[in-house]
Amino acid sequence: EAGVVQSPRYKIIEKKQPVAFWCNPISGHNTLYWYLQNLGQGPELLIRYENEEAVDDSQLPKDRFSAERLKGVDSTLKIQPAELGDSAVYLCASSLGRGSGNTIYFGEGSWLTVV
Amino acid sequence: ELKVEQNPLFLSMQEGKNYTIYCNYSTTSDRLYWYRQDPGKSLESLFVLLSNGAVKQEGRLMASLDTKARLSTLHITAAVHDLSATYFCAVGRDLIFGKGTKLSVKP
Repeated sequence: EAGVVQSPRYKIIEKKQPVAFWCNPISGHNTLYWYLQNLGQGPELLIRYENEEAVDDSQLPKDRFSAERLKGVDSTLKIQPAELGDSAVYLCASSLGRGSGNTIYFGEGSWLTVV
Repeated sequence: ELKVEQNPLFLSMQEGKNYTIYCNYSTTSDRLYWYRQDPGKSLESLFVLLSNGAVKQEGRLMASLDTKARLSTLHITAAVHDLSATYFCAVGRDLIFGKGTKLSVKP
């Protein structure tokens, strides 16, 4: 069974440019998460989707970040314009639901460098 | 606000030795996860702990949960080099992560 798939794996952009990351969750997983991981830190939640509905986006910097999950499957995370401080790994994760026994599976991440 | 603290943040061990990583959290939660992350890789789920007194073991790793103390431990038995990685605990439905424990096992 395929895991959580993310692309691109690596991206280098100049500041003020836009960038987008794509995530395909594990088949059948209704809950999708986007996390940000800075070097040497634990991941931090940006947004959580239940099917196509964003139910927790309180940590998403809405002035420059946006996300969508059309049809409740794939999701995209966009940054426009990017700033130097946005350099980090953007992790997508999915789970069957928010039930207590459900494991949350992570993709390999999209590594962003803003120069 | 839920906060999660791990210690130690760095751990250098010799092969064959035992050690414990600690994870404290600040507010009541119904679940706690342990993940492993290798350099440049994603997070691999190790354990999900759901109830007070829960203990789970996989190979040389054993995790336990004390919900009254808001404490989880990850015990490493007879460490081997392949266990070198960063270990994270995460608490709650949306995974509030600790800063991670970078484990290095040396011959």
